[in-house]
Amino acid sequence: GNSVTQMEGPVTLSEEAFLTINCTYTATGYPSLFWYVQYPGEGLQLLLKATKADDKGSNKGFEATYRKETTSFHLEKGSVQVSDSAVYFCALSEAGGGNKLTFGTGTQLKVEL
Amino acid sequence: EAGVVQSPRYKIIEKKQPVAFWCNPISGHNTLYWYRQNLGQGPELLIRYENEEAVDDSQLPKDRFSAERLKGVDSTLKIQPAELGDSAVYLCASSPPWTEETQYFGPGTRLLVL
Repeated sequence: GNSVTQMEGPVTLSEEAFLTINCTYTATGYPSLFWYVQYPGEGLQLLLKATKADDKGSNKGFEATYRKETTSFHLEKGSVQVSDSAVYFCALSEAGGGNKLTFGTGTQLKVEL
Repeated sequence: EAGVVQSPRYKIIEKKQPVAFWCNPISGHNTLYWYRQNLGQGPELLIRYENEEAVDDSQLPKDRFSAERLKGVDSTLKIQPAELGDSAVYLCASSPPWTEETQYFGPGTRLLVL
C-alpha cells in the first residue's frame, strides 16, 4: 500500500535559518505529492503540491521538488520566520485512488528569535 | 469565501456515550471527506462522499461509526457507543469538482473520551 515517511520532529531553528524537512514515499503508481501545514488551533492548509516527476511546487518561500528516482519530496525554505512555526505534513494522492490522501506523521517546526 | 465549518470544536464524553460531529463544506464543493487524526499522527480517511453518495467508506468502523450527507451539502459523523480509543481530532474536508486533488480542511473537532 501507499505510505509516506517524514523526519521526526520537533525541528527547532533560529529565525533566518535554512529549513529542510525530509519526505519519502511509497506508491504503486504515479502519485501527486503535497505539503500541508497546520498552524496552532487551525485546520490543515495546502502549502504546495506537485503532480508529476520533476515538478517543483512553491508557495510563501517554501519549495519542494518531486523526485521520482529517489521517491522524495523534501520541503525547503531559505530563511524561516517565527510565523512559520507549525506542523508540516507530507501527503500523496494516487491517480485512480479516488483522491484519497495518505499523510505522513507530521513534523513540528519551532522557529525562535 | 467561508471555509469548511465544523462543530463542536471540542467534546468531552464518557465511554459508551454517543457523539455526533457536524460539517458544512465550502459552497459548491461536491466532495466531502471525514478524517481521523490521532495524537502525533497524520490524518486517516474514514469516508468520502461524492454529493450524497458514500463512495469510499472502507476505513470506517461500521460497528460503531455512521455518517450521512442527506442533501449533498452538510454532513454528520456519529459514534455510538464511543470507546476510549476514539479520542482524536475529527477533520472534515471538501474539494471542488474541478480540482479534486486539493482538499480544504476545517479546524476539526477534538474528542476526548473518558
